[in-house]
Formats: sequence, structure tokens, C-alpha cells
Amino acid sequence: GESVGLHLPTLSVQEGDNSIINCAYSNSASDYFIWYKQESGKGPQFIIDIRSNMDKRQGQRVTVLLNKTVKHLSLQIAATQPGDSAVYFCAESQKLVFGKGTKLTVNP
Amino acid sequence: GAGVSQSPSNKVTEKGKDVELRCDPISGHTALYWYRQSLGQGLEFLIYFQGNSAPDKSGLPSDRFSAERTGGSVSTLTIQRTQQEDSAVYLCASSLGRGVYSGNTIYFGEGSWLTVV
Repeated sequence: GESVGLHLPTLSVQEGDNSIINCAYSNSASDYFIWYKQESGKGPQFIIDIRSNMDKRQGQRVTVLLNKTVKHLSLQIAATQPGDSAVYFCAESQKLVFGKGTKLTVNP
Repeated sequence: GAGVSQSPSNKVTEKGKDVELRCDPISGHTALYWYRQSLGQGLEFLIYFQGNSAPDKSGLPSDRFSAERTGGSVSTLTIQRTQQEDSAVYLCASSLGRGVYSGNTIYFGEGSWLTVV
């Protein structure tokens, strides 16, 4: 069946550093991937998405990289800020199968 | 509305009671999703609606769970004879459509926090 996993459950970075959050997926037919941010006590918030015909997409301070060969995607956050502290989920394709999330903590 | 609205935001119920959770999606969104999130866990897919029909109910954990959607808008998730393991946050999301990249970003509500005691 489908699964989406995250390599690390927690990530701690210093303010101003770049953060990289990784995600692996199993369904090679997945054609659309989304990253969500979930702050404590809130619902997930859309950050950025990418189609399978792309290998990179950039937003404001965030970049998503997709490697279809190894079924891996990553979220890069530039100049991480305390407000970036949250749990980050990747999700794939139509059913939005989510991983457990990576908890990002930004230390001042 | 401006966003996905869910009610109640918090619900404490006794084991064995039935509960109803409501979701009001973003106006015009035809696709509606229900997810469950246990403490410290990821999101567990429950059910998906396209309009009023539910082509994918594969995630409903048992026959105690049911959902309906009327008028292509509001959806209700019903849990009968609640059990303690049903305690979780129930998240609703909506999108213009499903599976197609353009314009189909999925927006979540803030969730209904259910505690079964």
C-alpha cells in the first residue's frame, strides 16, 4: 500500500540556519506532492507543492526538491526563524497520504 | 466562508455516547476530506467526498463511523457508541477539486478535538 515516511521525527536548528526536512514515498505513480506546516493546536497549513514533472520548486524562503528515481522529496527552509517551529508533513497524490511529520524546533 | 470551519472545536463525551462533528468547507469547494490525528501522530485519512457522494470511504475505521454531505457543502462525521480510542483531533479539509494540480490546493480547518472519557 501507499506510505509516506519522514526520515527524522525531530530536527533542531539555530535561528538563521537553513533547515532540510526529508520525506520518502513508496507509490511510484504519485504525481503530486504537498508540504504542510502544522503549528501546535492548529490545522495543517499548505506551504508548497510540486508536480512529478518537476524536480524543484521555490517559494518564499522554501524550496521543495523531488527525486523520483529514489522516491524522495525534501523541504528546504532558508534562514529559519522561530516562527518556523512546527511539525512539517509531506503528503502525496490524490489520497493525501501523510507521514507522521518532522517536528522542527528553532533555537534563538 | 473564508476558510474551512469545524464545530465543535472541543468535545468531551462519555464512552458509549454518539457524537456528531460538523464541517463547513470553503464556498465552492467540491471536494471534502475527513482526517483523524491522534496525539503526536500523522494524519489518518478517513473519507473523501466529491459533491455529495463518497467515492472513497476506505479509511473509516469501523462501522461506528459514518459521514454524509448534503447540498455539496456541509458535511457531518458521526461516531456512534464512542470508545476511548476514538479520542483524537478530527480534521476536515476541502479543495476545488481533486488530484489535478492547478487550483486544487487543500485547505484544512482547525479541527474538532474529541475526548472520550
